[in-house]
Amino acid sequence: AQSVTQPDIHITVSEGASLELRCNYSYGATPYLFWYVQSPGQGLQLLLKYFSGDTLVQGIKGFEAEFKRSQSSFNLRKPSVHWSDAAEYFCAVRSNTGNQFYFGTGTSLTVIP
Amino acid sequence: KAGVTQTPRYLIKTRGQQVTLSCSPISGHRSVSWYQQTPGQGLQFLFEYFSETQRNKGNFPGRFSGRQFSNSRSEMNVSTLELGDSALYLCASSLGGQRGNSPLHFGNGTRLTVT
Repeated sequence: AQSVTQPDIHITVSEGASLELRCNYSYGATPYLFWYVQSPGQGLQLLLKYFSGDTLVQGIKGFEAEFKRSQSSFNLRKPSVHWSDAAEYFCAVRSNTGNQFYFGTGTSLTVIP
Repeated sequence: KAGVTQTPRYLIKTRGQQVTLSCSPISGHRSVSWYQQTPGQGLQFLFEYFSETQRNKGNFPGRFSGRQFSNSRSEMNVSTLELGDSALYLCASSLGGQRGNSPLHFGNGTRLTVT
């Protein structure tokens, strides 16, 4: 069965520091992968997606993610974090047959000045 | 293009009552999915509707039901409310094809509080 694991429940970084949020998935074939961000009391906003091709994908707000098939990972990165990046981040996988999405439990990001 | 719209934004209900939540998808999107989000359980998939038919279903009791109309708008109903139903209910729309790269687009949710 498909599943997504986000090992870090909570991460704290200083403003201006680099960020990496981890995501591991379990899926038999090459999945469709997504990162979403959620601010308090809001819905989820799509940051980026991976379907095929270049394993390094760029998203909005300066985020990028790298797909590594050998590690079943899709980690999210940002070179320099801004205070406005404080939010909850969710990794998700969609099967490539069917419209079923599977979400990780999320990583809460705190940014300290 | 307008995003996914959920109404109402906030609801307060009493145990035993029922509630109906509404979701208007992005124009052209035929799939609507519903999720329940709580601090302890994270995002839990309720069901997905595509072209007025329930296509996928999560592991929730029969008190949770939904439907989709011909214009792709969707409603979710919870009957006999329990305290544990207090949550943020999120609706998401997508093109919904069986194969394809259509992501989910989320609304801002309905915050349901059961007292």
